[in-house]
Amino acid sequence: GQQLNQSPQSMFIQEGEDVSMNCTSSSIFNTWLWYKQDPGEGPVLLIALYKAGELTSNGRLTAQFGITRKDSFLNISASIPSDVGIYFCAGRFGGTASKLTFGTGTRLQVTL
Amino acid sequence: NAGVMQNPRHLVRRRGQEARLRCSPMKGHSHVYWYRQLPEEGLKFMVYLQKENIIDESGMPKERFSAEFPKEGPSILRIQQVVRGDSAAYFCASSPPVGDTEAFFGQGTRLTVV
Repeated sequence: GQQLNQSPQSMFIQEGEDVSMNCTSSSIFNTWLWYKQDPGEGPVLLIALYKAGELTSNGRLTAQFGITRKDSFLNISASIPSDVGIYFCAGRFGGTASKLTFGTGTRLQVTL
Repeated sequence: NAGVMQNPRHLVRRRGQEARLRCSPMKGHSHVYWYRQLPEEGLKFMVYLQKENIIDESGMPKERFSAEFPKEGPSILRIQQVVRGDSAAYFCASSPPVGDTEAFFGQGTRLTVV
């Protein structure tokens, strides 16, 4: 099955730095979601985007739904140690009951 | 309100045995989704079920895998005659029957085939 391409694959940053990651697809989606997964846990939804061009914030997180509907990015400002984890994008073509196609993940590690 | 409950959290099976993974959706949720995550990869959709119905099984392997969501009780993902390649984390998600609420994920079952 298809997986979305996420970049970077991993990143080491210092506490306080801003982080940016993106996700691209060969297919269009009408919903983009961003999740965080901690070790041994399931994905937790961070931000949901439902319209092309939409820019949405959740605290220090900001995400945008690309105008072509084939990409999305996630920014984290002023990173803190608890931001460590794996971030996944997911795309969907259909309503909330439709399947999600996940990205390959971006592993974030924060140094003090 | 308890979240999506999956059990067991960890399951070890020998090659050729059967694995049964259980998922109890959140209260009031009647839609269940199963995803598989191989090491160092993202989640991949397997199957979407509503009570007593399979809605989309486009991600299910054609052989050895089956899923059900009976009228009463949890959803079950069954893997017969497991092989080493079945070792993965299996996640269940649930969502309500109506509305725009995104699905919630459980903590997963980590299957190891030895």
